[in-house]
Amino acid sequence: VVTQEPSLTVSPGGTVTLTCASSTGAVATTFYPNWFQQKPGQAPMSLIYNTDNRHSWTPDRFSGSLLGGKAALTLSGAQPEDEAEYYCLLYYGGVRLFGGGTKVTVL
Amino acid sequence: EVQLVQSGAEVKKPGESLKISCQASGYTFTTHWIGWVRQMPGRGLEWMGIISPLDSDVRYSPSFQGQVKISVDKSINTAYLQWATLQASDTAVYYCARHVDTEYLGVTLFAVSIDSWGQGTRVTVSS
Repeated sequence: VVTQEPSLTVSPGGTVTLTCASSTGAVATTFYPNWFQQKPGQAPMSLIYNTDNRHSWTPDRFSGSLLGGKAALTLSGAQPEDEAEYYCLLYYGGVRLFGGGTKVTVL
Repeated sequence: EVQLVQSGAEVKKPGESLKISCQASGYTFTTHWIGWVRQMPGRGLEWMGIISPLDSDVRYSPSFQGQVKISVDKSINTAYLQWATLQASDTAVYYCARHVDTEYLGVTLFAVSIDSWGQGTRVTVSS
């Protein structure tokens, strides 16, 4: 099971960190954490791959890391358009598992 | 530009069969695994499985093994997801997604990341 915070709130211009934990133990780089953003009624969009790599289209206010045995996505300088659901994906060899998602509100 | 274009919304009755598609363009189709992801109404994303367009090797999530079939026709750059017998619980939006390999200590680990998504196909199963 992959666990994320159900919801987080951030002020415009503020910073928020989302985490992604594995029931099997500490998340390492060999879980190749991915992060995705999904807005209502839209397909997901890929933000981060292999822990900390941005895609060419990913704004640099999004960054990935490992933090305290979890994968983490940090949003620095939140914008109103960043309000969305965020999902992590972990690699377990034969299977990949999504987290339950974190609803981020910019308020 | 990588594009994954999915087939249109479907409304079906329980017990019917269905096959939805995902056509890729903008890259060499056989170089990337294609996967399917389910999103039930108001719920999160669920990874269903992947297929290699190169040799049709398929890997299913244990949760979906035996419930769906993933296939591919590389002559038309298209991946498929099909059901033999639909149930109301199959009502969801289904996304196809291009997966990306990575190298670790000289070994290729296949399909560890996702970089591109289709627009989604809404499937409604109702009597």
